[in-house]
Amino acid sequence: ETGVTQTPRHLVMGMTNKKSLKCEQHLGHNAMYWYKQSAKKPLELMFVYNFKEQTENNSVPSRFSPECPNSSHLFLHLHTLQPEDSALYLCASSSPGVGFYGYTFGSGTRLTVV
Amino acid sequence: AQTVTQSQPEMSVQEAETVTLSCTYDTSESDYYLFWYKQPPSRQMILVIRQEAYKQQNATENRFSVNFQKAAKSFSLKISDSQLGDAAMYFCAYRSAPGGTSYGKLTFGQGTILTVHP
Repeated sequence: ETGVTQTPRHLVMGMTNKKSLKCEQHLGHNAMYWYKQSAKKPLELMFVYNFKEQTENNSVPSRFSPECPNSSHLFLHLHTLQPEDSALYLCASSSPGVGFYGYTFGSGTRLTVV
Repeated sequence: AQTVTQSQPEMSVQEAETVTLSCTYDTSESDYYLFWYKQPPSRQMILVIRQEAYKQQNATENRFSVNFQKAAKSFSLKISDSQLGDAAMYFCAYRSAPGGTSYGKLTFGQGTILTVHP
């Protein structure tokens, strides 16, 4: 366990469902990130939050809606997803002023859209 | 924007042998950080080793070392005395230093799957 916890670990949802992914860290980090990891593709940065404010949205479709109520929690709300959205979704956190230390990652949520 | 390229989709090594994973990157910045992450089947991304671009000395962490060639924009990972537990997907990653164009963002390569044969 690295200090970043993601739930659920696995999720199967239909295209008309609404679900949420949760990420939690108590490392004192102030930046949190969502990445998408698909087979045979590089990790894709989706969203960046610094001090609870969204500072980056990498042209992510609106069917993905992030929420960061505080520096310790990050959510990814999902609705009307497509089968191509099936992937591993990774959450990470970092201290923005300490770039040398990279990110701390969670174990991811394996999402399958049916 | 910075890009990171790992040209070896898969590599294999015999247990106790040495293997080198390649990584090149493209940037116009002079100060940045480079990382190697390991992702075993458990999916947990684990930091293996990191390098500050302004440091000439190559980083070393036990059996893991890097060959950092700044002019060539190359950052390879050498694993010595390979162990079965080293089998995983390895990702090279780039992060700008504070003040850089993409500070805070970690840009990853495509990954290299390492298989260790007993």
